[in-house]
Amino acid sequence: NAGVTQTPKFRVLKTGQSMTLLCAQDMNHEYMYWYRQDPGMGLRLIHYSVGEGTTAKGEVPDGYNVSRLKKQNFLLGLESAAPSQTSVYFCASKRQDVDTDTQYFGPGTRLTVL
Amino acid sequence: AQSVTQPDIHITVSEGASLELRCNYSYGATPYLFWYVQSPGQGLQLLLKYFSGDTLVQGIKGFEAEFKRSQSSFNLRKPSVHWSDAAEYFCAVVVYGQNFVFGPGTRLSVLP
Repeated sequence: NAGVTQTPKFRVLKTGQSMTLLCAQDMNHEYMYWYRQDPGMGLRLIHYSVGEGTTAKGEVPDGYNVSRLKKQNFLLGLESAAPSQTSVYFCASKRQDVDTDTQYFGPGTRLTVL
Repeated sequence: AQSVTQPDIHITVSEGASLELRCNYSYGATPYLFWYVQSPGQGLQLLLKYFSGDTLVQGIKGFEAEFKRSQSSFNLRKPSVHWSDAAEYFCAVVVYGQNFVFGPGTRLSVLP
């Protein structure tokens, strides 16, 4: 059981380039999330998904797109990267239970935009 | 507006000393409460959580937290800190059906 994995672990982009971050989970979780982590700001929600084929905007969605074509995968895309998107990106997933609302996190992707 | 505050940005304690990390929230309803720990270069690991019942909850690595409804607080404690506890700690809050809100984090340094 790998839990939540993220690919790649590190990436450097130039302004205007595009890229896709992949999140995969093998726990059969319904809900998946993308966060960005910046110093002094905790984690901020970018987009999330409550099931295969669904996506929704979080707190800071601008400049990002997502897709959830398969239940186990949640992709985060940057169409035209900007220096303000330099951050550490975390993916998380959780079950759809009434009594269990715990998120499980991946190891993160460190992205630098020059 | 819903918010989570962690008043201490950085705390330094000596190994073996006790620790308390503060977390306060502002929500209309009683939320679910979590503490996560993030070691350098790692993802977030769940330490403990509170949903209902006993307001003192035990977690992994010898941590505990106490929910105080009257103070809207969920402070994390450990009686004796180990050098391996040096990390960043995040308080998180969620109301059922809504998304998590994380505090800004508290960085813990441990002196030998």
